[in-house]
Amino acid sequence: GQNIDQPTEMTATEGAIVQINCTYQTSGFNGLFWYQQHAGEAPTFLSYNVLDGLEEKGRFSSFLSRSKGYSYLLLKELQMKDSASYLCAVKMDSNYQLIWGAGTKLIIKP
Amino acid sequence: EAGVTQFPSHSVIEKGQTVTLRCDPISGHDNLYWYRRVMGKEIKFLLHFVKESKQDESGMPNNRFLAERTGGTYSTLKVQPAELEDSGVYFCASSLTSGRRTRADTQYFGPGTRLTVL
Repeated sequence: GQNIDQPTEMTATEGAIVQINCTYQTSGFNGLFWYQQHAGEAPTFLSYNVLDGLEEKGRFSSFLSRSKGYSYLLLKELQMKDSASYLCAVKMDSNYQLIWGAGTKLIIKP
Repeated sequence: EAGVTQFPSHSVIEKGQTVTLRCDPISGHDNLYWYRRVMGKEIKFLLHFVKESKQDESGMPNNRFLAERTGGTYSTLKVQPAELEDSGVYFCASSLTSGRRTRADTQYFGPGTRLTVL
């Protein structure tokens, strides 16, 4: 079966840094996505990692290690608007569907 | 550029009734996907269109669900007859490509249709 694990909830302070981890065990791999989702809204694309290493985009960075089945999303200079759920999803190479983690609810406190 | 749109945003129906959800993908995106999130669970894949053809419908739960994409533009997802367990949020996504391992594979999501079956 396919399995993607991420913490259910995390709390961080405004202005700080937080790292959200995602581990996966899937029968195939064609890339890993991170999405942000505010309650009642569409998942919004944040990053796409295909190769090992760190991808940086502004305040957000995403890391991938395919050999370890591991990724993380790093958020710097946290703002209150970053309070949301962060979803990790693996794209399968057999049929390109996304296999999703349950999401990590990030709570930012002043 | 307009994003993925879905209609309706909410639908409340009784068990046994029929509901049709609509998705308009980003213009020019050949790939269209349907996903569903039931309460407390992770998002699950339903099916994938490439233009008007069903590329993969392995996630469709049963034959009460029928998806179409006539003309390769917008898509509809019909549930007939609806059951209580069909309640959830139905997301549609589209992408330019699907297997190139580039940013063009990125799936962009609509706001979802929240379906409640009573």
